[in-house]
Amino acid sequence: DAKTTQPNSMESNEEEPVHLPCNHSTISGTDYIHWYRQLPSQGPEYVIHGLTSNVNNRMASLAIAEDRKSSTLILHRATLRDAAVYYCILRDPLWGYQKVTFGTGTKLQVIP
Amino acid sequence: SQTIHQWPATLVQPVGSPLSLECTVEGTSNPNLYWYRQAAGRGLQLLFYSVGIGQISSEVPQNLSASRPQDRQFILSSKKLLLSDSGFYLCASVSGAGRDKESGGGNEKLFFGSGTQLSVL
Repeated sequence: DAKTTQPNSMESNEEEPVHLPCNHSTISGTDYIHWYRQLPSQGPEYVIHGLTSNVNNRMASLAIAEDRKSSTLILHRATLRDAAVYYCILRDPLWGYQKVTFGTGTKLQVIP
Repeated sequence: SQTIHQWPATLVQPVGSPLSLECTVEGTSNPNLYWYRQAAGRGLQLLFYSVGIGQISSEVPQNLSASRPQDRQFILSSKKLLLSDSGFYLCASVSGAGRDKESGGGNEKLFFGSGTQLSVL
């Protein structure tokens, strides 16, 4: 399975942009890049996903490198409610995208 | 979108006692279902996943088992709990791969339940 690597933790000041990196150097051409976040004592929630092109939604933007070996989740203006663990995962087409594994994620701290 | 129901929210069980956690899904049919465990301050560990009724794939050998008696019901069980079984248990669902024929399933999002905090004492 292709794996992802993320920094263990990051800090951001409130109302400033945050760039959360993810490396996936062994990604295959049909692996989808998904981001989820987990607030304390809650289940993870979907943030955004993409395959090759950059993506935007109301929560965040996803910038995917041209070689797809890395991606960056962009929160345009961090708020205190964005403090969470952010997981970057690959949806692997092996066995029809059935198996879904998570790494340890990046814990984002937002400073008021 | 899908709704994942998990209960109970918290559970305290003595070592050696049995366990049964139930997860039910609304808003989709023929989903892929998952059980994850999260130790305090750690990431999500995939325990089991199921692509259909009666079909279970185990990722981690342990004293836990899973069953899928109905399309949208996923049960995590143990005959005798160990101290190391303590953790935050999460159920997740993904629409079946056949729903997104273009991507084959890679486009489908995971939906998670609110989790069960299990303490084995």
